[in-house]
Amino acid sequence: GESVGLHLPTLSVQEGDNSIINCAYSNSASDYFIWYKQESGKGPQFIIDIRSNMDKRQGQRVTVLLNKTVKHLSLQIAATQPGDSAVYFCAEITSNTGKLIFGQGTTLQVKP
Amino acid sequence: SQTIHQWPATLVQPVGSPLSLECTVEGTSNPNLYWYRQAAGRGLQLLFYSVGIGQISSEVPQNLSASRPQDRQFILSSKKLLLSDSGFYLCAWSLQINEKLFFGSGTQLSVL
Repeated sequence: GESVGLHLPTLSVQEGDNSIINCAYSNSASDYFIWYKQESGKGPQFIIDIRSNMDKRQGQRVTVLLNKTVKHLSLQIAATQPGDSAVYFCAEITSNTGKLIFGQGTTLQVKP
Repeated sequence: SQTIHQWPATLVQPVGSPLSLECTVEGTSNPNLYWYRQAAGRGLQLLFYSVGIGQISSEVPQNLSASRPQDRQFILSSKKLLLSDSGFYLCAWSLQINEKLFFGSGTQLSVL
C-alpha cells in the first residue's frame, strides 16, 4: 500500500550546521511532494514543494531534492538556527487520488 | 491574502458530551476544506474533506461528523464524545485538489 516514511525519528544538529532530513515513499505514482514544519502545539507550516518533473528546488535556506529512481525525498536546511527546531513532515500527493499522505515526522533539535 | 481561523485552541470535554469545532477561511472562494486529526507524536490522519457547500467526504469510520454550511466554513461535530476522540484537530484548506494544504492553528481536545 501507499506509505511515506522518514528514515530517522530525531535529528540533532549544531547551530550553524546544515541539516538533512530524509523521506522515503513507496508509491511510484506519487507526483507531488511537500515538506511541512510543525512547531509544538501549532499547525503544520508549508515550507517547500516539488513536483515529479523536477529533481531539485530551492527556497530561502531550504532545498528539496527528489530522487524518483529510489523514491527518496530530502530537505536540506542551510545554517540551521534554533528557530528551525520542530517536527518536519514530508507528504505526497498522487494525482489519481488527490489525497495528501503524511509521513510520521522527524524531530529536528538544534543545539546552541 | 488568505487566512484560516480555527477555534477553540484547547478544549476539555467529558465523555458523552457533544462537540463542535469551527473553522473559517478568509480571502478565497470555494476552497477545498479538510479536517485532520493528529495523535501525540504521530502523523496526520485525514478525517473529512469537502469540495463545496454541503459536500462532505469521510475518510474513516468514526464517531465524528463534518458539515459545510457556508462556502468558507467547516464544522467538526460529535453527538457523544469518546475517550478515543482525544487528539489534536487541524483544519486545512487548498485551492484545488492535488495542491498543497494550508493549516489552521489546531485544537487540542481532551476527553476525560
